[in-house]
Parts: sequence; structure tokens; C-alpha cells
Amino acid sequence: KNEVEQSPQNLTAQEGEFITINCSYSVGISALHWLQQHPGGGIVSLFMLSSGKKKHGRLIATINIQEKHSSLHITASHPRDSAVYICAPQGGSEKLVFGKGTKLTVNP
Amino acid sequence: NAGVTQTPKFQVLKTGQSMTLQCAQDMNHNSMYWYRQDPGMGLRLIYYSASEGTTDKGEVPNGYNVSRLNKREFSLRLESAAPSQTSVYFCASSPQRLAGAVYEQYFGPGTRLTVT
Repeated sequence: KNEVEQSPQNLTAQEGEFITINCSYSVGISALHWLQQHPGGGIVSLFMLSSGKKKHGRLIATINIQEKHSSLHITASHPRDSAVYICAPQGGSEKLVFGKGTKLTVNP
Repeated sequence: NAGVTQTPKFQVLKTGQSMTLQCAQDMNHNSMYWYRQDPGMGLRLIYYSASEGTTDKGEVPNGYNVSRLNKREFSLRLESAAPSQTSVYFCASSPQRLAGAVYEQYFGPGTRLTVT
């Protein structure tokens, strides 16, 4: 069983829709990272959280440590949100364990 | 600040050739990482360096060597390239983790390597 499971693997939405990407993990963690990989390949960090909820613009990340589950929400989605979103739990060391990613396509 | 830079951006090698991928960061970070990304798989850690002069193996170190000669630079060497090493390679850096504190990682633009 993979240590990190993301769902869905692929997601297509219409502009303006509310998007949810889920991440479940089996390892104990000190934090969980959400990353965005642009179609050109670059990877940027969106969030790093160890409890509760964080919000940045139209993006919201939540985590439930007891249930070992995190979600990434995008409100009022836009075509520029089209990217691969990667969940990466971080255990006791500095090393991250990466999910396979969720490919999001937002159509105009 | 340039952040994390990688060279080259693209490379094609023949089986058995050697090459070094270069990575540099200008954020004064202690920790640096090399990952590979293959279709259908998550990023996988090849090697990791917590500070200048120290390196540790990650999940997939076979066929690679690394060198952390100074705080800024962390290079990845393929001594004898194999087709299985065809991949996209990312370098990343972060401030060193202190007790109770966790930091995000900053990624370079990637190197697309093809071994024929």
C-alpha cells in the first residue's frame, strides 16, 4: 500500500467551480506540504501545515491529524489553476514522501 | 535572488556516458535535495544533504553520486548512464529543520535527461 494516496488522479472542471483534492497518508507526520506543478514543469510550494486550516487567496488547505487526511480546496476555479497538485507528508526527518499528484484541468 | 538554479535544462546521453547535474541556491539554506520524477510516480528522493560536507542516501540512490562542496552547490553525478535513468531531475533546498520547526522546500526548474 502506498504511504500517500491522492484522489482523484485526474479532475476536469468548468471555470468557477469549487474544487477539492484529497490526500490520505499512513505515516506519522510533523507537517504536510501541498505543492503545485505547472504545465511547464516548475514546482512551487503552496502550503505547509501541521494542524487546522490555512488560506491563501482562493486556495484553502485543511488537515485532520487524527484521521491522517488533508484536503486542498480551490474556490472559483480559473483556467490558470490548471496544474498538477502534489501532497507530501513530512515525517520526523526533513524528508518528504510525495503523492503521485492530481492533474487538474479547468476549462473556460 | 535567483532561488534554486539547475544546469543543464535538457540533456541526451548515450548508455555508459557520464555527466554531472549542477544545482545552486542563493538563499543560504543548509539542506539540499535531489529528486527524480517519472511518469505515474511521485517524486522520489535520490540523495540529501543536511549541511556542507554531509550527504545521505534517499529512496533511489543506486547509479548516482553526489557532492556538497560548499553551502550553495549540490551536484549529482551519473557515472555510467543507463536508460532507466531517463527522468526529470529536480534539485530543492530548505532551511535546516530545527526542533519543532518545519520549513518548505524550494525547487529548481528541473533537468530533463534522456538516456538512449
